[in-house]
Amino acid sequence: QKEVEQNSGPLSVPEGAIASLNCTYSDRGSQSFFWYRQYSGKSPELIMFIYSNGDKEDGRFTAQLNKASQYVSLLIRDSQPSDSATYLCAVKSYNQGGKLIFGQGTELSVKP
Amino acid sequence: DGGITQSPKYLFRKEGQNVTLSCEQNLNHDAMYWYRQDPGQGLRLIYYSQIVNDFQKGDIAEGYSVSREKKESFPLTVTSAQKNPTAFYLCASRTGTGANVLTFGAGSRLTVL
Repeated sequence: QKEVEQNSGPLSVPEGAIASLNCTYSDRGSQSFFWYRQYSGKSPELIMFIYSNGDKEDGRFTAQLNKASQYVSLLIRDSQPSDSATYLCAVKSYNQGGKLIFGQGTELSVKP
Repeated sequence: DGGITQSPKYLFRKEGQNVTLSCEQNLNHDAMYWYRQDPGQGLRLIYYSQIVNDFQKGDIAEGYSVSREKKESFPLTVTSAQKNPTAFYLCASRTGTGANVLTFGAGSRLTVL
């Protein structure tokens, strides 16, 4: 089992729809969870992070964390073509000395 | 403006050659990291350093070397021992306090001819 798993996609949604990106992790002791966006050929940029169970909203983005299920998700409301990118989930793993472990990323395509 | 500068952006290497990728930050961050990214894959940790003159191996350190002589600088050498060095290399840094948020440089794309 990979430490951080994401569906590689591509996930295709129409413009204006809600895009739902999912991530599961294996280290039950993990405390910090991050979502990065990466455009093709560019470096990752942080969208948001979440520490506590529940939802955290920032503009059109909502991160959801369920530690019991070891599941974190990112919802993008009113998706725009400019949201088309690869979304990387990252988990701070205490089993590995606090290192950030990345999933393989989910490619999102928003169709006009 | 504060940030992380990586150079060169593109690099071509012949087999058997060592190459050094530069990473400089003016964010006054304590910790610096090198990641490798292959197509369709996530980031894999090569080396990291939490303080000057100290660094630790990550998950895929074989064939790579680093130094941390200054807080601002964390160069990565890709040696001829690295069997498949063609990849996108990302340098990152983070402050030692507060949220463990990584800030990334623009990346260096290495191609072995």
